[in-house]
Amino acid sequence: AQSVTQLGSHVSVSEGALVLLRCNYSSSVPPYLFWYVQYPNQGLQLLLKYTSAATLVKGINGFEAEFKKSETSFHLTKPSAHMRDAAEYFCAVSDRGVFGNEKLTFGTGTRLTIIP
Amino acid sequence: ETGVTQTPRHLVMGMTNKKSLKCEQHLGHNAMYWYKQSAKKPLELMFVYSLEERVENNSVPSRFSPECPNSSHLFLHLHTLQPEDSALYLCASSLRLAGVNEQFFGPGTRLTVL
Repeated sequence: AQSVTQLGSHVSVSEGALVLLRCNYSSSVPPYLFWYVQYPNQGLQLLLKYTSAATLVKGINGFEAEFKKSETSFHLTKPSAHMRDAAEYFCAVSDRGVFGNEKLTFGTGTRLTIIP
Repeated sequence: ETGVTQTPRHLVMGMTNKKSLKCEQHLGHNAMYWYKQSAKKPLELMFVYSLEERVENNSVPSRFSPECPNSSHLFLHLHTLQPEDSALYLCASSLRLAGVNEQFFGPGTRLTVL
């Protein structure tokens, strides 16, 4: 069975500082990996995804994540935090079924707060 | 309307009521999903419909009854719910193809069961 662990349910960083949100996964097969963002009163929006091409994946809003198989990690980073990055972030994993990633398994989320 | 829409956005119901949640996607997708988002718990996949056929039911209690009349609409019928069913219910859709399929989410329905 697949699982995702997000270390830190709350992370606070100063505006302009590095953002690092941690995600470790467990999967018996090479996974697809995703980061989603949820702003208040909104649904989830895909930030980026790993599909076994480049291990460093670039997403929207200046975010990127690096797939490290040896560490079973897929941490999300952004060099310089902006106030608009305040939101909840979810890491997700899925298997590679015939029809791809129908079954997404999500982590419990990390709430990112930006300090002015 | 664009993307994935959900109505109502907020719903308060008693344990003996019957209500329905509605989801509509305007993206030409052929798969739709219901998720439950509770505080401090991971998102839980409840149901998956592909080409209007239910392909996944994750041991959801029978008091939740999904319906997918066509590829654009998805309903979740609710009856005799429990207070622990209070949560944000998210609908998503995707274009079901081999490979990686992005799921697009609606804004959710905030359900409170009294």
